[in-house]
Amino acid sequence: LAKTTQPISMDSYEGQEVNITCSHNNIATNDYITWYQQFPSQGPRFIIQGYKTKVTNEVASLFIPADRKSSTLSLPRVSLSDTAVYYCLVRPYSSASKIIFGSGTRLSIRP
Amino acid sequence: SQTIHQWPATLVQPVGSPLSLECTVEGTSNPNLYWYRQAAGRGLQLLFYSVGIGQISSEVPQNLSASRPQDRQFILSSKKLLLSDSGFYLCAWSADRVRQETQYFGPGTRLLVL
Repeated sequence: LAKTTQPISMDSYEGQEVNITCSHNNIATNDYITWYQQFPSQGPRFIIQGYKTKVTNEVASLFIPADRKSSTLSLPRVSLSDTAVYYCLVRPYSSASKIIFGSGTRLSIRP
Repeated sequence: SQTIHQWPATLVQPVGSPLSLECTVEGTSNPNLYWYRQAAGRGLQLLFYSVGIGQISSEVPQNLSASRPQDRQFILSSKKLLLSDSGFYLCAWSADRVRQETQYFGPGTRLLVL
């Protein structure tokens, strides 16, 4: 399973765009990149998933370069409620796959 | 729509006592089910996963066990709790054995062993 590396923490301000980058140098051909958000004392919540190029949904965008060795989660115009831990995961496109969570990035949004 | 329930939400148990945490999923059939543990300020550690009734795979050797007596029920147990078993226990489910598996998490059970 590919290992991921992401910053331990980030700070930003309300209304700003936040980009969190994750490195996954040994990503395999059939691996997908997934991001989760977790608030204190709650289970992680799926945000976005992609394989290559760019994926966008109502919550975020995910940018994946051609070599797929990194990915960037982009949160547009963050608010205080976006303060959470964000996990980058790489997992195979297969049945009963086991997701390995790292330590995540603790994002703090200030007024 | 699918929902996942866990109970209890919070539990305080003495060392050496037994444990039973329950997780149930509604609105889907034949899900993959998972148990995770999260220590304070840490990431999630996968403990067990199950692809069907009676089928359990253990990821970490420890004094915990899991069972799946029904299709949408997943139970985490221990015969004798240790102090190190304290943590936040999360159950998750995923559908679709063939395609991408997004996992959906329950609200969690916070366990404190004293």
